This record gives sequence, C-alpha cells and structure tokens, in this order.
Amino acid sequence: EVQLVESGGGLVQPGGSLRLSCAASGFTFSSYEMNWVRQAPGKGLEWVSYISSSGSTIYYADSVKGRFTISRDNAKNSLYLQMNSLRAEDTAVYYCARLPLPVSSAFDIWGQGTMVTVSS
Amino acid sequence: DIQLTQSPSFLSASVGDRVTITCRASQGISSYLAWYQQKPGKAPKLLIYAASTLQSGVPSRFSGSGSGTEFTLTISSLQPEDFATYYCQQLNSYPREFTFGPGTKVDIK
Repeated sequence: EVQLVESGGGLVQPGGSLRLSCAASGFTFSSYEMNWVRQAPGKGLEWVSYISSSGSTIYYADSVKGRFTISRDNAKNSLYLQMNSLRAEDTAVYYCARLPLPVSSAFDIWGQGTMVTVSS
Repeated sequence: DIQLTQSPSFLSASVGDRVTITCRASQGISSYLAWYQQKPGKAPKLLIYAASTLQSGVPSRFSGSGSGTEFTLTISSLQPEDFATYYCQQLNSYPREFTFGPGTKVDIK
C-alpha cells in the first residue's frame, strides 16, 4: 500500500525547535518530489516547502524561510522538516505530500498529519 | 507570487444539486491547477489535476474546467459524502511554490 506517515509533532515553547519526519512506503520514494503543507486550526491549507527527488532543489514559503529546513534521505525512504525559532503562528497540522512528475499531476498522496503546537 | 481566490467561500446546497466553485489566479497558470476535497480531521484528497483530469477513483460527478486565470469545479449531482471543504491549488512549474486557494465549504441546506 502506498503510504506516508508523519511523526515528530508535539508541544514546544516559542523560540524552540522540532524535527518532523515522514516515512514513505509502497512506492519508489527516490523518484518523487515531496512537499510539506500545513493547516492552522480552523484555517485553510498553506504550502510550506518543496524538495526535488534528489534533494538538490528546495523552495520555501516566505513565512518559514530562514527558520525551516527541508531534507530527505532516499536510502531511508524518509522526508524531514527541521523547524527552528518556532512561533505561535506555526501551530498547525503538518502534512507531507507526494508530487509525481509532471508537476501538473499535483499532490496525489498525503500523510495523516502531525500536530505541532507552539505555546508557553 | 501567484495568488488564488475562490468563490463562493461558503455555499449551502441540497443532495442532488449541481454545484459550481470558481477559482481565479492572479496571473496565467495555463492548466496547472488542481482541486482537493477535505473533510474534518482528514488529509486533503486529490480530485482533479491539470485543471480537468479526474484523479483515479474519483466519481465522475466531479469535473473541472478552465485555463489561464479562471477555473471551475463542478459537482453534477451533490451526494451526502460530498459535503466538505474544497481547495484549488496552482502548480506553476518554476519556482516550485504551490499556492492554495482559501477554500470553499459546502454545507447541507
């Protein structure tokens, strides 16, 4: 079964750090571009970050640029999001999502999400 | 940056109704537009990609159209399981910055 499973969420104080993981199974992870998307409580979807299949090309939303770092380990079939200098407005469910090529194929597989709460 | 707007932001409809949601882009995005359905507490589900291509397994009552800056999602006959929030997303190739629209909540009348 094609699956993405996020982990690593939790409660963290403002200014703190957290590392999210996304474990992929059921497909050739190294062939796919990957993304992180978040959703604040009661709000819409916000694209956060993109990484190419090799990891050589990365993009971030302006709201997280300079604070978040996306990475992947194709040998471990895993995607990561290192989140530093966390703010209250980073509180959200974080989803990883697969992006097949061509890009127009859109985000076809999503994980179940992991909740990040930034609060003192 | 490409911005997306959706209208309406909320609509109330009955089972069997034909429903249309519009998504507008701030600049032309060819056919690089997708539609997702999200139910409370669940991850989004891909319905339509490349503006009009139905994702495998999605019922044929869902359809998409448009190109450039104006796009529509149509549900031909609303079913009980279709009450949800719908988001459009632009997937312009470069840079890979994949904006979502603000969402349209479809509720039961």
